[in-house]
Amino acid sequence: QKEVEQDPGPLSVPEGAIVSLNCTYSNSAFQYFMWYRQYSRKGPELLMYTYSSGNKEDGRFTAQVDKSSKYISLFIRDSQPSDSATYLCAMNTGFQKLVFGTGTRLLVSP
Amino acid sequence: DGGITQSPKYLFRKEGQNVTLSCEQNLNHDAMYWYRQDPGQGLRLIYYSQIVNDFQKGDIAEGYSVSREKKESFPLTVTSAQKNPTAFYLCASSTKPTGLEYQPQHFGDGTRLSIL
Repeated sequence: QKEVEQDPGPLSVPEGAIVSLNCTYSNSAFQYFMWYRQYSRKGPELLMYTYSSGNKEDGRFTAQVDKSSKYISLFIRDSQPSDSATYLCAMNTGFQKLVFGTGTRLLVSP
Repeated sequence: DGGITQSPKYLFRKEGQNVTLSCEQNLNHDAMYWYRQDPGQGLRLIYYSQIVNDFQKGDIAEGYSVSREKKESFPLTVTSAQKNPTAFYLCASSTKPTGLEYQPQHFGDGTRLSIL
């Protein structure tokens, strides 16, 4: 079993929809949770990261961590075609070694 | 502009050949990292360095080597011992972690390596 599980998609939504992207994990020692966005043939871009449980909001993006369920989510409000990309979750125990999910491909159609 | 520059963008390797991937950063970051990305798999850590002249193996270091002679540079050599080198290679950097507080890693735009 992988430490971090993420549905590869693709997830197709119309422009303006609310998108929910999720990851589950098995290691209860994970403390930091990150979301990266990766466009085709580009490096991952850090969107946001959170420490422990709770919510964090940045513009149209909200990250949510539920440590009791070992489940993290990224919500995108008012999705735009420019949001079409692969979204990677990553987490660690507090040291710099990250464990990544495989990524979910998101397609937002105009 | 501050950032991480990886070169070349595309690289081809012949059988038995060593190739070196370049990574340069002007963010004044102490820590640098090399990851490998394969389809259907998450990024996997090859090597990382928290300070000049020091580096540690990651999860998949076999067949790879690195050096860290300058703070700005962290080149990765894919040796002939790496039997499946075809992948997207990503370099990242961060400020030096202090204690257990995570320091965000920022990535370059990668080098795609293929076998001829």
